[in-house]
Amino acid sequence: NAGVTQTPKFRILKIGQSMTLQCTQDMNHNYMYWYRQDPGMGLKLIYYSVGAGITDKGEVPNGYNVSRSTTEDFPLRLELAAPSQTSVYFCASLLGGRDEAFFGQGTRLTVV
Amino acid sequence: LAKTTQPISMDSYEGQEVNITCSHNNIATNDYITWYQQFPSQGPRFIIQGYKTKVTNEVASLFIPADRKSSTLSLPRVSLSDTAVYYCLVGPSRAGTALIFGKGTTLSVSS
Repeated sequence: NAGVTQTPKFRILKIGQSMTLQCTQDMNHNYMYWYRQDPGMGLKLIYYSVGAGITDKGEVPNGYNVSRSTTEDFPLRLELAAPSQTSVYFCASLLGGRDEAFFGQGTRLTVV
Repeated sequence: LAKTTQPISMDSYEGQEVNITCSHNNIATNDYITWYQQFPSQGPRFIIQGYKTKVTNEVASLFIPADRKSSTLSLPRVSLSDTAVYYCLVGPSRAGTALIFGKGTTLSVSS
């Protein structure tokens, strides 16, 4: 089991560019989440999914989009990148609502 | 979703026991209490989960009073490597709810 895998690990974007952060898990987990973490701050939930084909907004969804076409993958799309989106992004998954969450290693994104 | 309140930061020395308390006054009947640990530049990792009374594993203990309006994470004999941010989460009271992290408690352990 690789667990939760995020790619890329680092990325620099120019303002206005777009990109997709990839997240895949091989544990057959139903729930998947995307968070962003700014320096010295806690995690903020961007979007989450409770199963393939189902997504919902979290605390800070503006400027992002997600899709969940398979159980394994939960990509996060940034359209028209802005400096305010400079952050570390974490993907997480868990089997059911009360199970422990497993996190990826994060993607450090800088928008210049 | 139940809101949680934790101290922003705590300081300790190696070998001491550290207790971090989390308040969750509006916890729902079906909610569990879960604690995560996060080291710099890493994603959080699960430490312990409980519903009531006391839970203990190889890493920590979790104390939950009868009214469940608070919980205390206890780390026995901390070391420098326990320096991290600790998050208390409450939920989910029903299926399909989000996993929301608060600000967490930054624990600094000194020698």
